[in-house]
Amino acid sequence: ETGVTQSPTHLIKTRGQQVTLRCSSQSGHNTVSWYQQALGQGPQFIFQYYREEENGRGNFPPRFSGLQFPNYSSELNVNALELDDSALYLCASSPATSGRETQYFGPGTRLLVL
Amino acid sequence: QKEVEQNSGPLSVPEGAIASLNCTYSDRGSQSFFWYRQYSGKSPELIMSIYSNGDKEDGRFTAQLNKASQYVSLLIRDSQPSDSATYLCAAYTGGGNKLTFGTGTQLKVEL
Repeated sequence: ETGVTQSPTHLIKTRGQQVTLRCSSQSGHNTVSWYQQALGQGPQFIFQYYREEENGRGNFPPRFSGLQFPNYSSELNVNALELDDSALYLCASSPATSGRETQYFGPGTRLLVL
Repeated sequence: QKEVEQNSGPLSVPEGAIASLNCTYSDRGSQSFFWYRQYSGKSPELIMSIYSNGDKEDGRFTAQLNKASQYVSLLIRDSQPSDSATYLCAAYTGGGNKLTFGTGTQLKVEL
């Protein structure tokens, strides 16, 4: 166990709806990254938060947004859901953001968009 | 060209054999490399990290890094059926904090 938790574990939404996914970082970690993993693919970087500020973003549209709170927990919000948003969403925490740290993954939230 | 490339497999090896998993990367500035194991329906878990050229051993696992050839590999000795999983290679790319993953190699260890 990594100490990173995510909720909910599974979620079903319909196209056009909005969803919020939550992540609690490992104790002592101030950096959280979010990933989308489609079936048969590796995780794709969505964005990273460091000390409550966005600290890098992958090739995802603005309808993917996030927050990090003072206790370093985090949210991923997706607006106007599309069928292609169906995936496993992973958060990973790390103790810093120098580009060398190991990232520790939570169990993921599986999102199905109908 | 993908930033991190792996053969998707499946790679099948008999129990007790050595499994060799390979990964190439395109960003010459990448300095940190990771191997994660992912069981079906689960999240990735760290196997090894490697930062310097050469070999790094941890139990039955050995990671190898060759920055000149932009090549990372993972050797699994005495493969067990419990090693059957998808192995993800990852590297920090773009000079920043973006961890880029390959598509993963599926390993099957057969009895």
